[in-house]
Amino acid sequence: SQQGEEDPQALSIQEGENATMNCSYKTSINNLQWYRQNSGRGLVHLILIRSNEREKHSGRLRVTLDTSKKSSSLLITASRAADTASYFCATDGGNQGGKLIFGQGTELSVKP
Amino acid sequence: DTAVSQTPKYLVTQMGNDKSIKCEQNLGHDTMYWYKQDSKKFLKIMFSYNNKELIINETVPNRFSPKSPDKAHLNLHINSLELGDSAVYFCASNPGGPTDTQYFGPGTRLTVL
Repeated sequence: SQQGEEDPQALSIQEGENATMNCSYKTSINNLQWYRQNSGRGLVHLILIRSNEREKHSGRLRVTLDTSKKSSSLLITASRAADTASYFCATDGGNQGGKLIFGQGTELSVKP
Repeated sequence: DTAVSQTPKYLVTQMGNDKSIKCEQNLGHDTMYWYKQDSKKFLKIMFSYNNKELIINETVPNRFSPKSPDKAHLNLHINSLELGDSAVYFCASNPGGPTDTQYFGPGTRLTVL
């Protein structure tokens, strides 16, 4: 069954604004990852947060994880048109042999 | 210096045909995966190989058969193609640990007519 659910499904903002995407999952996890997919391309890893971490930063990206609520958020600050893409969260679903379980993604559109 | 490559990028074929998609990674990773992404962008794992050995086989029709000649290659053969097989297929690899980042190929868009 699908593990991650992203919210919102689509988000449209102006350049310079912040974008927040949320992800909820169902089972216990070892880690949660965020990926970006540009149109017609493969997924690119953005950030990994482990179950014992609450917050992680990478450049303009900030990820939080609340294991009690089984949820994570991805914040992109000072967005740029080049951030336009689909963003997916993925969990390892606990001990499931290394497979990632993806949500359906948030489609982010950043207008110049 | 492509890390994970797939061929072909586009594949258009008739129902009932048999086709193959090839994947190669030059990252030295032990584990490779095949994912299917449907028209709603839902990405689902199909298979995983670790050092040429099948370790994950999700509920996928028998018409799909992966083959790993060596740990750098994982090919996907599909027999008797059906309309519902139309999707984008992604190959990925990682060093092997369950917490490792996965590296994705550019995808193969399969269209079955």
